[in-house]
Amino acid sequence: EVQLVESGGGLVKPGGSLRLSCAASGFSFSGAWMTWVRQAPGEGLQCVGRIKSKTEGETTDYAAPVKGRFTISRDDSEKTVHLQMNSLKTEDTAVYFCHFNHMGVWGKGTTVTVSS
Amino acid sequence: DIQMTQSPSSLSASVGDRVTITCRASQGIRNDLQWYQQKPGKAPERLIYAVSSLQSGVPSRFSGSGSGTEFTLTISSLQPEDFATYYCLQHNSFPYTFGQGTKLEIK
Repeated sequence: EVQLVESGGGLVKPGGSLRLSCAASGFSFSGAWMTWVRQAPGEGLQCVGRIKSKTEGETTDYAAPVKGRFTISRDDSEKTVHLQMNSLKTEDTAVYFCHFNHMGVWGKGTTVTVSS
Repeated sequence: DIQMTQSPSSLSASVGDRVTITCRASQGIRNDLQWYQQKPGKAPERLIYAVSSLQSGVPSRFSGSGSGTEFTLTISSLQPEDFATYYCLQHNSFPYTFGQGTKLEIK
């Protein structure tokens, strides 16, 4: 079964950091381009960033609101992708989903709340 | 960034109705267009990929069409389980962008 499972969400103060993880199973992870998507409460979906496969240099791309603050990395041996979030702002409060676009697979999401 | 303009933002319909949702891209996106359904508190689920290909396991009452910059999702005969929010997604260029969503409600 193809599956993505996120972890690492929680409550953090503005300016703080958090690291999300996404564990993949059921497909060839090493060749997969992985994406993080977030959804603020009551809002739509926003793509946060993407990481390409190792053969394509593990190139990363980020949406403007998070560029310079968020970093995506991957560990193909563990079939895991990470989202390191620094300098968090209240507007980063959202459910964060891991997404494998090629197969249209999503994790259930992990909630990040940035509040003092 | 490619903007995806989705309409309508909300729609009230009855079981058995035929419904169409439209997405317009700010520039050509070839066939890099998907449709998702999302229910409250759940992750999105893909219905359609590559404009018109039906995701495995998705009922055939869902269909997609379009080309260039204009795309549509059609539900031929609404069922009770179809009342949800629908999003289009372009993945032609990064950042991938979603439409604003269409909330489909029971009339």
